[in-house]
Amino acid sequence: QVQLVQSGTEVKRPGSSVKVSCKPSEGILSSFAITWVRRAPGQGLEWIGGIIPIFGTPSYAQKFQGRVTITMDESTNRAYMELSSLRSEDTAVYYCARWSSGSFSSALDIWGQGALVTVSS
Amino acid sequence: SYVLTQPPSLSVAPRQTARITCGGNNIGSKSVHWYQQKPGQAPVLVVYDDSDRPSGIPERFSGSNSGHTATLTISRVEAGDEADYYCQVWDTSSDHVVFGGGTKLTVL
Repeated sequence: QVQLVQSGTEVKRPGSSVKVSCKPSEGILSSFAITWVRRAPGQGLEWIGGIIPIFGTPSYAQKFQGRVTITMDESTNRAYMELSSLRSEDTAVYYCARWSSGSFSSALDIWGQGALVTVSS
Repeated sequence: SYVLTQPPSLSVAPRQTARITCGGNNIGSKSVHWYQQKPGQAPVLVVYDDSDRPSGIPERFSGSNSGHTATLTISRVEAGDEADYYCQVWDTSSDHVVFGGGTKLTVL
């Protein structure tokens, strides 16, 4: 079964940016609708935003508006989530996941392994 | 914004039935999905569209949704079911994915 493979662990300074990538183990990413979710230590799952290629424009959680950019790059067959102005509260494991039927209301049926981002001075 | 409310924790003895609730305003009108997350692992989809099971998920996992409450039922609980469980919907009012706060299931 197809898997989502994410980039590795990152350690960042407060105020900097991080860019996490996600690619399918097989197939063309542009056929996937991809969303991003994080889990901070001691907290639950939190939606960041996502992108459905046929719609083109990403959708972002209000909490992250202005600080997050989600893109897809056909040349690298990867999706990216870039979060800027990092603060310690952004320390979390960041996951990409696939919307199963390509619509916002569908379930997230395939998840990446997660990328740990630590924000520390 | 739309809020989903789950009990923070639930303890069940082996071979008993665990029922994890997810409360939300008129949640019965939405499609509810459930995820299981074990420590150090990515979430796994266990029930989608209220009551359907992905391939590979045991029949012991089932779901229902009506009125203001959705429920994930795990029958004949096993030690391996110990995990955090999350409900999730798409809120059309805000165009947001919404997760419940999660329920930690402990098998006694």
